[in-house]
Amino acid sequence: ETGVTQTPRHLVMGMTNKKSLKCEQHLGHNAMYWYKQSAKKPLELMFVYNFKEQTENNSVPSRFSPECPNSSHLFLHLHTLQPEDSALYLCASSQDLGLAGTLAYQETQYFGPGTRLLVL
Amino acid sequence: QKEVEQNSGPLSVPEGAIASLNCTYSDRGSQSFFWYRQYSGKSPELIMFIYSNGDKEDGRFTAQLNKASQYVSLLIRDSQPSDSATYLCAVKTSYDKVIFGPGTSLSVIP
Repeated sequence: ETGVTQTPRHLVMGMTNKKSLKCEQHLGHNAMYWYKQSAKKPLELMFVYNFKEQTENNSVPSRFSPECPNSSHLFLHLHTLQPEDSALYLCASSQDLGLAGTLAYQETQYFGPGTRLLVL
Repeated sequence: QKEVEQNSGPLSVPEGAIASLNCTYSDRGSQSFFWYRQYSGKSPELIMFIYSNGDKEDGRFTAQLNKASQYVSLLIRDSQPSDSATYLCAVKTSYDKVIFGPGTSLSVIP
C-alpha cells in the first residue's frame, strides 16, 4: 500500500463504547497528525506527533486519547464520546525538515481518506 | 481576528473562465502557504504550495503570495467543471502550527 491509510472508514458507536481509529503512513515521514472535520467548520488540528513524541494537544477532551507506537502508526482511542463528536477524523503525515537555515522548508501534509464517525 | 480567513462562497464561474480564490492570514511571520482541494466527501489533497513572494505556476494553477499584505491567492485558468470543489488555504505560522482556513466553495458552471 502507498500513502496514508486509515481504518475503519466508517464507524458507528454508542456513547458508552470504546473504539480505536488506526492510521498508517507508507511515506517514510516523521510527523503524524489527527484532525477533526465537522460540517461547516474548518479543519481542526487535534494532535501532532513528531518522531513519536506528542508535540501538540490542541485542547482536545480527554475522551480522545492518541497513541503513536512508531513513526508509521498512529491511533486515536475513543471512549465515552458525545454525539457532537460525530465528524470525519482525518490522519495526515509529513516530513518535518526543521527550521534552522532551511530556505526550502515546507511541511506538506498528506491526508488519509478519513474515518467517518457517528456517535449515537 | 481569525488566523486564516477565506470567503466561504460559493464562488460560481463559467467554464473556461478564471477562478480567483483569496486567503488572508494574521501571523506576519508565516513562511509556508498551501492550497488544498477537497471534493465533497473526500479528503483534502495538496495542489500548490508557495513560500516566496510573487507567483508560482503549475499547469492551470497559479499561486500568488504577498507577504507585506498578508494574503495568498490561487488562480485557476480555463476552469473546468471538475474543478468544482472546496479550496482550503493553509498557513504554516511562525509558531510552528499549520492553520487551515474555512475553505471557499467553487462551482464551475458548464
